[in-house]
Amino acid sequence: RKEVEQDPGPFNVPEGATVAFNCTYSNSASQSFFWYRQDCRKEPKLLMSVYSSGNEDGRFTAQLNRASQYISLLIRDSKLSDSATYLCVVNNDRGSTLGRLYFGRGTQLTVWP
Amino acid sequence: DTGVSQDPRHKITKRGQNVTFRCDPISEHNRLYWYRQTLGQGPEFLTYFQNEAQLEKSRLLSDRFSAERPKGSFSTLEIQRTEQGDSAMYLCASSLGDSAISDTGELFFGEGSRLTVL
Repeated sequence: RKEVEQDPGPFNVPEGATVAFNCTYSNSASQSFFWYRQDCRKEPKLLMSVYSSGNEDGRFTAQLNRASQYISLLIRDSKLSDSATYLCVVNNDRGSTLGRLYFGRGTQLTVWP
Repeated sequence: DTGVSQDPRHKITKRGQNVTFRCDPISEHNRLYWYRQTLGQGPEFLTYFQNEAQLEKSRLLSDRFSAERPKGSFSTLEIQRTEQGDSAMYLCASSLGDSAISDTGELFFGEGSRLTVL
C-alpha cells in the first residue's frame, strides 16, 4: 500500500471555479503534512503546510483530518496560473526537522479561460 | 543564483554505462536529499544526508546506486551499469535540518538531472 494516495485527475475547470483535491495517507503516526506545486517540467515547490486546525493562504485552504488520515486542498476563484500538478506530501519523522518525505503521485489541474 | 543546482541537466547514455550526477545545495542547509521522479508519478525518496552522514536509504537504492556527500557540502549520485528502468528525473533537494533553528519544513528542489538510458 502506498504511503500517500491521490486522485491523479486531471481536473479541468474554468477560471473562477472552486476546486478541491484530496489525499489519504496510510501511516497514522505521520507528523507533518504539506502541499507542493509542480509546474510542467519544473521542480516541486512548497505551496503550503497543513496544520491540524486547518489553514488558509489567500485563495488556498488546507485541511487535515487525522482520524480519517485525510488531507484536502481547496482553491477558490481559480486563475489560469493555478494550472499545475499538486502533490500531497507527508513526513513521518518526529521533531522539527524533515527526514524522508512521501509524495503522492500528484493531481493535475488545468484552468481554462 | 543561491538555489540548489544540479549538473548535468540532461544525460543520455547507453545501457551498461556509469553516470554521475552532482548536486550543490543551498549553502547553509545541512540536509540534502535525492529523489527520483518518472512521468506521471510523484518524487520517490532515494536517500538523504545530514551534513556528511547518510541517514537513510530507500530500498529503491540498489547496489548499483551510491551517493556521497564527502564534506557535507555538495553531493554526488552515481549509477553503475545503467538499465533502461533507470531513466527518470533525478531531483536533489536541501533543507535547513537544524532543530535549533526554526525550520519551516520546506524542501528546496533543484531543477533536476534527466537521465535517458538507451
